[in-house]
Amino acid sequence: AQKITQTQPGMFVQEKEAVTLDCTYDTSDPSYGLFWYKQPSSGEMIFLIYQGSYDQQNATEGRYSLNFQKARKSANLVISASQLGDSAMYFCAMLAYNTDKLIFGTGTRLQVFP
Amino acid sequence: DSGVTQTPKHLITATGQRVTLRCSPRSGDLSVYWYQQSLDQGLQFLIQYYNGEERAKGNILERFSAQQFPDLHSELNLSSLELGDSALYFCASSVMSGGLTDTQYFGPGTRLTVL
Repeated sequence: AQKITQTQPGMFVQEKEAVTLDCTYDTSDPSYGLFWYKQPSSGEMIFLIYQGSYDQQNATEGRYSLNFQKARKSANLVISASQLGDSAMYFCAMLAYNTDKLIFGTGTRLQVFP
Repeated sequence: DSGVTQTPKHLITATGQRVTLRCSPRSGDLSVYWYQQSLDQGLQFLIQYYNGEERAKGNILERFSAQQFPDLHSELNLSSLELGDSALYFCASSVMSGGLTDTQYFGPGTRLTVL
């Protein structure tokens, strides 16, 4: 069975600093996709970044990058130059081959302080 | 703005009642997914439709049902509501069905409160 684990319930970071949010996954499928979503206090789920299991390079999207270590089954999100608006819940999710549903972790609440 | 719309934004109702949540996918997306987010269960997949047909089913209660119409909008029907059904219900859409790069874009959610 597929599983996503986010071990950090909460993280604090100072504005302009970088922060890493941890995500480990478990799957026996050789093909899968990994996603990160942001959920601000307003409630919507915002897609941030995607990494495919066969991608050779780590994904990047602006200030977001994904530190993908396949052998360790980890897909950590790195946010560079944190901003106050980055304060939110962050969810790691996985889509396994031949399934259509996203499996989500429990989330990490990030708080950025001035 | 993801392009996925959901109505209503908030819904307050009583136990035993029935409600309908509505979702319009992004233009061009054929798949619609429903997820439930609650404090005790986290984010859970309920059901998926692709081009009008049910494609995948998750932890959806028998009291819940959904459909996708020819114009691709979808409705989630929740009946005989219980206090435990209070949650944030998300609709998401994607271009196709499955495919590892098929990103799901979420709507703003409907917050259901059952009193």
